[in-house]
Amino acid sequence: DTAVSQTPKYLVTQMGNDKSIKCEQNLGHDTMYWYKQDSKKFLKIMFSYNNKELIINETVPNRFSPKSPDKAHLNLHINSLELGDSAVYFCASSQVWQPPYGYTFGSGTRLTVV
Amino acid sequence: DAKTTQPPSMDCAEGRAANLPCNHSTISGNEYVYWYRQIHSQGPQYIIHGLKNNETNEMASLIITEDRKSSTLILPHATLRDTAVYYCIADGGSNYKLTFGKGTLLTVNP
Repeated sequence: DTAVSQTPKYLVTQMGNDKSIKCEQNLGHDTMYWYKQDSKKFLKIMFSYNNKELIINETVPNRFSPKSPDKAHLNLHINSLELGDSAVYFCASSQVWQPPYGYTFGSGTRLTVV
Repeated sequence: DAKTTQPPSMDCAEGRAANLPCNHSTISGNEYVYWYRQIHSQGPQYIIHGLKNNETNEMASLIITEDRKSSTLILPHATLRDTAVYYCIADGGSNYKLTFGKGTLLTVNP
């Protein structure tokens, strides 16, 4: 049973399209995250949700809209895709306020915008 | 979160111990030291964490200096599959984000 699962694994789409990435965790964690890793391999936090509430939005364009229907799911919808959105997107989860606070990451979604 | 400093790259011979250093001189008392690694194209993987004491698990050992200003991750018998970027992170768990630096690219050579 995969702890944090993302779908799809690969996504190739044209500029201007709208796409969604789904994430589910079965660890019972209360916080979920989206990270972006661009071509320079730098991992950057995009969003964090705690108990379905948005906690962090790291100056991400509003074309990106995360949605958390429940604690176990955090989806990412991207409108009007641009070439610069091409990257690997990682979902993660953790249990905040409970040591040791370790994060579990999904295997990533490689998004290519052409 | 405290800033950490790691060498950009290191090499290690297969079967030998890999010792990866990390400087976190501004770490605060409630911040843990975490080590994660990212094997090419995969999601970051938790390795080990510690607060004050040295720690060991099935993957690695973590040695934290008494003043907590630096630490060393030890992979006792490195294999080719340990080639990855290793991230050292100091985090108190309350910021709702884990901040990654550039990490150390460890290359294990045959």
